[in-house]
Amino acid sequence: AAGVIQSPRHLIKEKRETATLKCYPIPRHDTVYWYQQGPGQDPQFLISFYEKMQSDKGSIPDRFSAQQFSDYHSELNMSSLELGDSALYFCASSGPLGSTDTQYFGPGTRLTVL
Amino acid sequence: DAKTTQPPSMDCAEGRAANLPCNHSTISGNEYVYWYRQIHSQGPQYIIHGLKNNETNEMASLIITEDRKSSTLILPHATLRDTAVYYCIVRVRSARQLTFGSGTQLTVLP
Repeated sequence: AAGVIQSPRHLIKEKRETATLKCYPIPRHDTVYWYQQGPGQDPQFLISFYEKMQSDKGSIPDRFSAQQFSDYHSELNMSSLELGDSALYFCASSGPLGSTDTQYFGPGTRLTVL
Repeated sequence: DAKTTQPPSMDCAEGRAANLPCNHSTISGNEYVYWYRQIHSQGPQYIIHGLKNNETNEMASLIITEDRKSSTLILPHATLRDTAVYYCIVRVRSARQLTFGSGTQLTVLP
């Protein structure tokens, strides 16, 4: 079965640079979630989108922004990168309201900020 | 969402059943119990979820106590590939986010 696709899988950036992470949800899923997992930590919710509108916001820094496009893929834009932004970034997707709403995760993007 | 409590680590012999407990004493009536696992640095993997009845799928069984204040995830025949951090998450079905706690590091021993 098709899964959530994330790109790139690995990304290395310098401090103060920008980064864009992409997420392609499971076909027919309309909700996308972003999570951040720092070294030795548990995943933390950042933001979610339902039908291209932001639906929930977690502990996402103001330097980060995200959007969901008409084809339901999502991009997480990160500016003025800091060393502390080095982490795994996971995207998850879920199906329409009224379905199980179970979130399925992608393999993640490992961001390293030098 | 209700808070969950899990033991930080557990060991299990390969081929034996792994029973992972979770306490969620403040769970409310409309909150589901979800289980995910994360194999080292991979994306969290959905395992199973339930509301009040016991559930079983191809991966595991979920036993929820009658008062719903605790649950147990059962992997019937653990393999080395089941070594992972297992997260028990309580969530209202309509909630848009998962709140991960510390989870249980399950190590399956040969």
